[in-house]
Amino acid sequence: NAGVTQTPKFQVLKTGQSMTLQCAQDMNHNSMYWYRQDPGMGLRLIYYSASEGTTDKGEVPNGYNVSRLNKREFSLRLESAAPSQTSVYFCASSETWAGNYEQYFGPGTRLTVT
Amino acid sequence: AQSVTQLGSHVSVSEGALVLLRCNYSSSVPPYLFWYVQYPNQGLQLLLKYTTGATLVKGINGFEAEFKKSETSFHLTKPSAHMSDAAEYFCAVIYQKLVFGQGTRLTINP
Repeated sequence: NAGVTQTPKFQVLKTGQSMTLQCAQDMNHNSMYWYRQDPGMGLRLIYYSASEGTTDKGEVPNGYNVSRLNKREFSLRLESAAPSQTSVYFCASSETWAGNYEQYFGPGTRLTVT
Repeated sequence: AQSVTQLGSHVSVSEGALVLLRCNYSSSVPPYLFWYVQYPNQGLQLLLKYTTGATLVKGINGFEAEFKKSETSFHLTKPSAHMSDAAEYFCAVIYQKLVFGQGTRLTINP
């Protein structure tokens, strides 16, 4: 039982390049999330998927797209990376999107855009 | 809109001393409240959560937090700090989505 896994762990991009961050969970959770973590700002929600087949914008969606590939997998795509997207990205999952259900986090992807 | 404020971005205590990390939230309805811990270069893991019922909540590693509705607070405490408690701590509130505070980095001095 691996929980939430993310690939890659580290990535360096040049401005304008594109990439996809992968996330998978093996807990049969319905809901999945992408956050970014920046110093002094906590975690901010980029996009979430309340259930398979649905995605919604979070607090900071600009410059990102997501795909809920199936119940297990939720990917985050940067179409044209910008230095402002330098951050640590966390994927999380929970049994459902509302209520008191704990979110389980992956180990993170550290992205640098030069 | 929901918001969470953690007082102090950095707290330093001596080993064996009381740990107190402060969290206040803005909400007009009783929220669900969480404390998460993040060790260096790792993801977040749940320390404890308040949903309903008893307002004093016990978590892992000897931490506890008390929900005070009148003060809209959910402060995290541990009676005696250990070196292994050094980490970043995040308070979070959920009404429809999870909203995080900005985090408090806890340093333990030997």
